Amino acid sequence: LAKTTQPISMDSYEGQEVNITCSHNNIATNDYITWYQQFPSQGPRFIIQGYKTKVTNEVASLFIPADRKSSTLSLPRVSLSDTAVYYCLVGVSSGGYQKVTFGTGTKLQVIP
Amino acid sequence: GAVVSQHPSRVICKSGTSVKIECRSLDFQATTMFWYRQFPKQSLMLMATSNEGSKATYEQGVEKDKFLINHASLTLSTLTVTSAHPEDSSFYICSASGGSGYTDTQYFGPGTRLTVL
Repeated sequence: LAKTTQPISMDSYEGQEVNITCSHNNIATNDYITWYQQFPSQGPRFIIQGYKTKVTNEVASLFIPADRKSSTLSLPRVSLSDTAVYYCLVGVSSGGYQKVTFGTGTKLQVIP
Repeated sequence: GAVVSQHPSRVICKSGTSVKIECRSLDFQATTMFWYRQFPKQSLMLMATSNEGSKATYEQGVEKDKFLINHASLTLSTLTVTSAHPEDSSFYICSASGGSGYTDTQYFGPGTRLTVL
């Protein structure tokens, strides 16, 4: 399974755009990149998933360069409620499911 | 869509007793379910992967006789912690994957806080 590396923590002011970058140098051809958000004492919540280029949904954008060795989660105009741990996951889609390994995650602190 | 529930959300038990945790996919059929454990201020650690109707696959270092997993249907998986001890106290989280329209993404339950006295 591909190993991921993220910054341990980040601080941002309310209303700013936040970009969290994840490195996954040994990503395999079949691997998808998925980002989750986790609040204390809750299960992770799916944010976005992509394979290449750019993916956007109602809460975030995911940028993946051509070599796919990294990815960047972009959160537009963060609010205090976005304070959480964000995990970048890379896994193999095999047999109908994607087995992934959680890294340390990035603890985002949004400051008023 | 893609809602996963867990029950109970919190359980306190005495050392030596067994505890069962249920994981249900409410609006989709989960061909595969995963069980994770998370200690305070740490990341999630995968314990086992289970496919409906077959035996679970356990990660290295996870005792299969202590953590019994049953995935009897496409919407229900259970984790039983047998003869629980204080060191088993943790946050247990399940996830479910599979089903048409949901690709391979894992959707997580809200977690179960287990405290063993």
